[in-house]
Amino acid sequence: GESVGLHLPTLSVQEGDNSIINCAYSNSASDYFIWYKQESGKGPQFIIDIRSNMDKRQGQRVTVLLNKTVKHLSLQIAATQPGDSAVYFCAETIGPGNQGGKLIFGQGTELSVKP
Amino acid sequence: DGGITQSPKYLFRKEGQNVTLSCEQNLNHDAMYWYRQDPGQGLRLIYYSQIVNDFQKGDIAEGYSVSREKKESFPLTVTSAQKNPTAFYLCASSARQRKGGELFFGEGSRLTVL
Repeated sequence: GESVGLHLPTLSVQEGDNSIINCAYSNSASDYFIWYKQESGKGPQFIIDIRSNMDKRQGQRVTVLLNKTVKHLSLQIAATQPGDSAVYFCAETIGPGNQGGKLIFGQGTELSVKP
Repeated sequence: DGGITQSPKYLFRKEGQNVTLSCEQNLNHDAMYWYRQDPGQGLRLIYYSQIVNDFQKGDIAEGYSVSREKKESFPLTVTSAQKNPTAFYLCASSARQRKGGELFFGEGSRLTVL
């Protein structure tokens, strides 16, 4: 299944399928991006990050793709499991100079995994 | 265990009252942040602090105040001037002061104004 980020905030997939969550970021000067997972009533948890000098980075069952040309970020989750059900946020660093890691978050996409 | 502790987890407040949300971290992080989250929305930055005794306004600082007297503590006061304070508040910290760095979040405090 695939989402279109802000235009489709809910993504429903079958257990075992791959999921693709998309994010359009706002600032062409941003050079660091993070994906977070937030379960209901909890704080966000780090999933994976990527810097702008890369276009792909892989973790355990997750892959982040960065397309700077169109300012697009995606998170791919392989073999989606019920425990992956959560809201997923992309975040970018924005602004010049030393801003201490200040991040700007996207709206989020809710992933629902059907057993 | 190292981490970020927010308290209280749930808080109810009458209109016109100030409330203070606690955030403590034992990760030895220099930078700390407060975010607000409304239902179905992303996180919006209220205040952040890169070092002790220094802090900067984020995107929605009006009606809020903070202090950073100790490295491990960054309390947020929601004042009566905040017009719509009911929300989920998240505190975070990061190890790096330069641009770009992973944020570690607490479990959040849910404030409801009655």
